Amino acid sequence: GESVGLHLPTLSVQEGDNSIINCAYSNSASDYFIWYKQESGKGPQFIIDIRSNMDKRQGQRVTVLLNKTVKHLSLQIAATQPGDSAVYFCAEKWGAGNMLTFGGGTRLMVKP
Amino acid sequence: DADVTQTPRNRITKTGKRIMLECSQTKGHDRMYWYRQDPGLGLQLIYYSFDVKDINKGEISDGYSVSRQAQAKFSLSLESAIPNQTALYFCATSDIAGGQETQYFGPGTRLLVL
Repeated sequence: GESVGLHLPTLSVQEGDNSIINCAYSNSASDYFIWYKQESGKGPQFIIDIRSNMDKRQGQRVTVLLNKTVKHLSLQIAATQPGDSAVYFCAEKWGAGNMLTFGGGTRLMVKP
Repeated sequence: DADVTQTPRNRITKTGKRIMLECSQTKGHDRMYWYRQDPGLGLQLIYYSFDVKDINKGEISDGYSVSRQAQAKFSLSLESAIPNQTALYFCATSDIAGGQETQYFGPGTRLLVL
């Protein structure tokens, strides 16, 4: 079976409920943040991003909130569906020439 | 993402063997990356390339080498594989648009070093 994320923190939600996945980032100079979704056996997939001059950005069923004061990023998924079950990673970046740094990930499990 | 392909998808090798992981992309991106993923950890950057003549070490480059043969191809080599290189390996490409950079990942290569 899939061994990636075997020891990740896990969030278990009921289908139809809203999910909130949290991420604490490390660098106060980071100016760009991304949430990725990784399904079992697949590579990470871009979900939504946000720049540091914003505190909220909405996509389709997803919202990212950025709190620069406490260096905290969250991903909210509305009306969670079984297809949302995956590992979710946040990533931060500072400066155009620098690389993304990924967080450890959270496993989301959706109960039918 | 079918635009970024990796071969092989699975590989078992023995300690001391040399192996190469291939990555190809049809997205036309200049930037390409190799990451490693271990259980319970996020992605760690091994090497990256901003164009054909540019190669840069990432945070965990020891024991690895890369070759950017063309804009579309970026290969990762383990010169002498060791068991702690057992991991999932991902290739990614990126483009910068409007000051934002989004990385697109391949499906991954699962490597087991015995």
